[in-house]
Amino acid sequence: AQSVSQHNHHVILSEAASLELGCNYSYGGTVNLFWYVQYPGQHLQLLLKYFSGDPLVKGIKGFEAEFIKSKFSFNLRKPSVQWSDTAEYFCAVSIFNKFYFGSGTKLNVKP
Amino acid sequence: GAVVSQHPSWVICKSGTSVKIECRSLDFQATTMFWYRQFPKQSLMLMATSNEGSKATYEQGVEKDKFLINHASLTLSTLTVTSAHPEDSSFYICSARKDREGAEAFFGQGTRLTVV
Repeated sequence: AQSVSQHNHHVILSEAASLELGCNYSYGGTVNLFWYVQYPGQHLQLLLKYFSGDPLVKGIKGFEAEFIKSKFSFNLRKPSVQWSDTAEYFCAVSIFNKFYFGSGTKLNVKP
Repeated sequence: GAVVSQHPSWVICKSGTSVKIECRSLDFQATTMFWYRQFPKQSLMLMATSNEGSKATYEQGVEKDKFLINHASLTLSTLTVTSAHPEDSSFYICSARKDREGAEAFFGQGTRLTVV
């Protein structure tokens, strides 16, 4: 079975701090990669996605992610977090028409 | 973005009964729909993938006869939990995709099932 690993389960940052959330997947073939966010009380929303081309992908709300094929990684970054970024973040991989999710990272941003 | 709606948002049922959860794509046609189960403090576990008009593909370890999935139209998929037991209590989430390959998936708000 395919797997997606998110290394940080819970991250606490102060506003304006930089963020990097790790994501690794285990599949050697072609994949499509996603980061989803779930704000408290809301459903999952797409932050950004990578299909092909430039491995540095920019998403909404100042987030970006870099696909490093040799490391099977797709880490999410944001230079300066805000209190409103408090949410749970899920990395997802699409392989052969199926979506697999990581375990999620809860981000708590202190004002 | 596209909207996916699940109904009901929460349901309580008695052990031994069946409960049906609906997933609708409101403003697009979904060629593929996914059903997930999320345990507390854990990730979304893919249960099955369904393509309109064909049988669902279940992930290893998911009981086909217990979790019946029907994708009868391009805008509706249903998950029926049959003969529910307390251990089936969980958060069930559906998502829908416009194209077979590559496209992002849009998520419903989830259904909290409690079996008493």
